Amino acid sequence: NAGVTQTPKFQVLKTGQSMTLQCAQDMNHNSMYWYRQDPGMGLRLIYYSASEGTTDKGEVPNGYNVSRLNKREFSLRLESAAPSQTSVYFCASSDGVQPLAKNIQYFGAGTRLSVL
Amino acid sequence: GESVGLHLPTLSVQEGDNSIINCAYSNSASDYFIWYKQESGKGPQFIIDIRSNMDKRQGQRVTVLLNKTVKHLSLQIAATQPGDSAVYFCAEKSVLTGGGNKLTFGTGTQLKVEL
Repeated sequence: NAGVTQTPKFQVLKTGQSMTLQCAQDMNHNSMYWYRQDPGMGLRLIYYSASEGTTDKGEVPNGYNVSRLNKREFSLRLESAAPSQTSVYFCASSDGVQPLAKNIQYFGAGTRLSVL
Repeated sequence: GESVGLHLPTLSVQEGDNSIINCAYSNSASDYFIWYKQESGKGPQFIIDIRSNMDKRQGQRVTVLLNKTVKHLSLQIAATQPGDSAVYFCAEKSVLTGGGNKLTFGTGTQLKVEL
């Protein structure tokens, strides 16, 4: 059982380049999330998908777009990378949709992105 | 707005001692909290959770305490081992406007276990 799989693990981009980070989960979870992690700032939510067919902005969505391709896959796209987007990106999934549900999120191993 | 913070950014303990990691939260309406462990180069890993209708919950070598009066959460690790060295995050759940739930994470505490 792989859980949450992210690709690539590492990436170096030049300013202005575009790329897509891929995420897939095999736990049949409804909700998926993209976070970025910067030193001393914890995890910040970029975008999320509460269920298949829906996506919404999180705390720091500027410069990113997402696609919930199907129930398993949720991709994050940087259209024109900037140095401020240098970070570690984590994808997560959870089964909790209802407000009273727990929201145990399971995380992938991360993508380490450097924008030069 | 809501925030989740930690009192100590780094905690050093001797192997075999007990560790206590603290967390303060500001949203009194939060009804669910989680502790995560993140080892170097890896994603956060779920450790233990607690609902707001509980004061204490125990797992294997870990205990979470919730004090709603002062909006304080703590993680206690018994007989700390070298493998416990990691960054520990607390997170509180809130409902998203688009449906589903979100977690707001604290900045983390680095736990270092000295041999």
